[in-house]
Amino acid sequence: GAGVSQTPSNKVTEKGKYVELRCDPISGHTALYWYRQSLGQGPEFLIYFQGTGAADDSGLPNDRFFAVRPEGSVSTLKIQRTERGDSAVYLCASSQDRDSPLHFGNGTRLTVT
Amino acid sequence: AQTVTQSQPEMSVQEAETVTLSCTYDTSESDYYLFWYKQPPSRQMILVIRQEAYKQQNATENRFSVNFQKAAKSFSLKISDSQLGDAAMYFCAYRSQNTGGFKTIFGAGTRLFVKA
Repeated sequence: GAGVSQTPSNKVTEKGKYVELRCDPISGHTALYWYRQSLGQGPEFLIYFQGTGAADDSGLPNDRFFAVRPEGSVSTLKIQRTERGDSAVYLCASSQDRDSPLHFGNGTRLTVT
Repeated sequence: AQTVTQSQPEMSVQEAETVTLSCTYDTSESDYYLFWYKQPPSRQMILVIRQEAYKQQNATENRFSVNFQKAAKSFSLKISDSQLGDAAMYFCAYRSQNTGGFKTIFGAGTRLFVKA
């Protein structure tokens, strides 16, 4: 595609439920990043993939958060037992390589009620 | 750990005027990139300008330019001839060039209002 695609654009879920957020990066981009942006804040790093492997997952807040990128393209961020504090915009970005600027998607706004 | 600080939560500028957004950062590294990103209400972050730390010359992209002061760890963004479409959140960001420097670290942002 022409840009980074994230689905859904909005997700409302109940506390305790499981959610999956999808990111489709720009074709050919090997690097993929997930960020979380709370209201009024800058994006906060969650995890970085180089190809299929998670090269740095130090930003994941706890073990309820997990992300995969099985074929080195599409990535899914998975959140178990959601909490109200997980409510935020989840941004995905990709880059051609680790030295290139990030290209962001429009994000998924997650609301946990 | 590296940090990025934007001390201006909000700024306002008259259309066609010039405005400067401030950013400071803290790092012990010598090789890194600095960026300014724009985030309109659509939520998509758009790269405005990029600066490599080894370059002394300040980056320029049309109406956007930076004042990079490496010793002072300062990286301000100047927007000339401001347009209504410039209204957005602006984020200053840092990324290490060292091995393992995968993260891009963002400041808290400055909301820019443009008055007609």
